[in-house]
Amino acid sequence: EAQVTQNPRYLITVTGKKLTVTCSQNMNHEYMSWYRQDPGLGLRQIYYSMNVEVTDKGDVPEGYKVSRKEKRNFPLILESPSPNQTSLYFCASRGADRVYGELFFGEGSRLTVL
Amino acid sequence: GEDVEQSLFLSVREGDSSVINCTYTDSSSTYLYWYKQEPGAGLQLLTYIFSNMDMKQDQRLTVLLNKKDKHLSLRIADTQTGDSAIYFCARGGGFKTIFGAGTRLFVKA
Repeated sequence: EAQVTQNPRYLITVTGKKLTVTCSQNMNHEYMSWYRQDPGLGLRQIYYSMNVEVTDKGDVPEGYKVSRKEKRNFPLILESPSPNQTSLYFCASRGADRVYGELFFGEGSRLTVL
Repeated sequence: GEDVEQSLFLSVREGDSSVINCTYTDSSSTYLYWYKQEPGAGLQLLTYIFSNMDMKQDQRLTVLLNKKDKHLSLRIADTQTGDSAIYFCARGGGFKTIFGAGTRLFVKA
């Protein structure tokens, strides 16, 4: 089954404690992206990756890091989480077609930073 | 999204039609999309329209695109309780997809 898998789905942590949210896709997609969803603001892009070892900042990259060492995986790293990073996070992937771009989303990771 | 706007809430009665509206400012997108987010789940593509089309119909869904006014709408006929969800308008530009804030559709039985 084609899917994007995120872990953990739910996490409560404390300010400053490094955490990683993993994302894996089994569709051989070149493009992967992280979004955060906040009430009234919709989806905002954090980072994206066009392919292995190619990453770039989205609209709200501050406080986040990513890596793309393998095509299927795109982890999101919060080196020193702060309460304003409490949010619902989505990983998404799409194929290489530059024009038509259906995004396939994971189920989301709800993060609370105390 | 900075240039995709939609109202945040819509409430309809079961069996009525729902119309969710969206406006955007950048007209360079080739495709415009509607994604649906059900409670506790990620977004799934519901339908899309190519920018040179005015209308697209897919069963209960009708998408209308007014390029002059930069206005996109999604009409759901015979709305059911299972249609209760958040609907996101999005436009595609190269590899970047810009999303609106989402419209939460409430369906009253």
